[in-house]
Amino acid sequence: QKEVEQDPGPLSVPEGAIVSLNCTYSNSAFQYFMWYRQYSRKGPELLMYTYSSGNKEDGRFTAQVDKSSKYISLFIRDSQPSDSATYLCAIRSYNTDKLIFGTGTRLQVFP
Amino acid sequence: EAQVTQNPRYLITVTGKKLTVTCSQNMNHEYMSWYRQDPGLGLRQIYYSMNVEVTDKGDVPEGYKVSRKEKRNFPLILESPSPNQTSLYFCASRPGLHTGELFFGEGSRLTVL
Repeated sequence: QKEVEQDPGPLSVPEGAIVSLNCTYSNSAFQYFMWYRQYSRKGPELLMYTYSSGNKEDGRFTAQVDKSSKYISLFIRDSQPSDSATYLCAIRSYNTDKLIFGTGTRLQVFP
Repeated sequence: EAQVTQNPRYLITVTGKKLTVTCSQNMNHEYMSWYRQDPGLGLRQIYYSMNVEVTDKGDVPEGYKVSRKEKRNFPLILESPSPNQTSLYFCASRPGLHTGELFFGEGSRLTVL
């Protein structure tokens, strides 16, 4: 079983839709949860970073962590064509360096 | 501008011909790392360095070497490239081992024939 599972998509939605991207993980020791966005031919860039269970909001983006279910989500409200990218979840434990990435979900928002 | 710079961005080479991918960061970060990204496998760590002259293996180190002689530079060396090293490579850095999150370079697409 992979430590982090992420549906690869692609996910295609119309502009203005609410998008839900999800990852599951297997090890309850993971405590830091991140979402990276990767545009085509670019490196990943950090989008959201959360430590605990619950929600964290930043503009149109909301990161949600449910540690009891080992489930993390990224919601995008009022999606825009500029949100078209691959979204990678990433997790790590408290006192280690190792960052484990999901395989990424490709999102396309069409006008 | 804060950035991680990789070169070359694109390279086609042949089996066995040694090559080096350079990586430089201008943020005075202590920690640097190399990843490869393959379809269906995601980002996998090759090597990382916690500071000058300190390097360690990641998940997929076979066939690669690194060095960290200066804080800003972290080159990736393929002594004898093979076709299974055809991949998209990313260099990344962050301030310290447990501080802050990763800044990535723009990637180096390597094809080994």
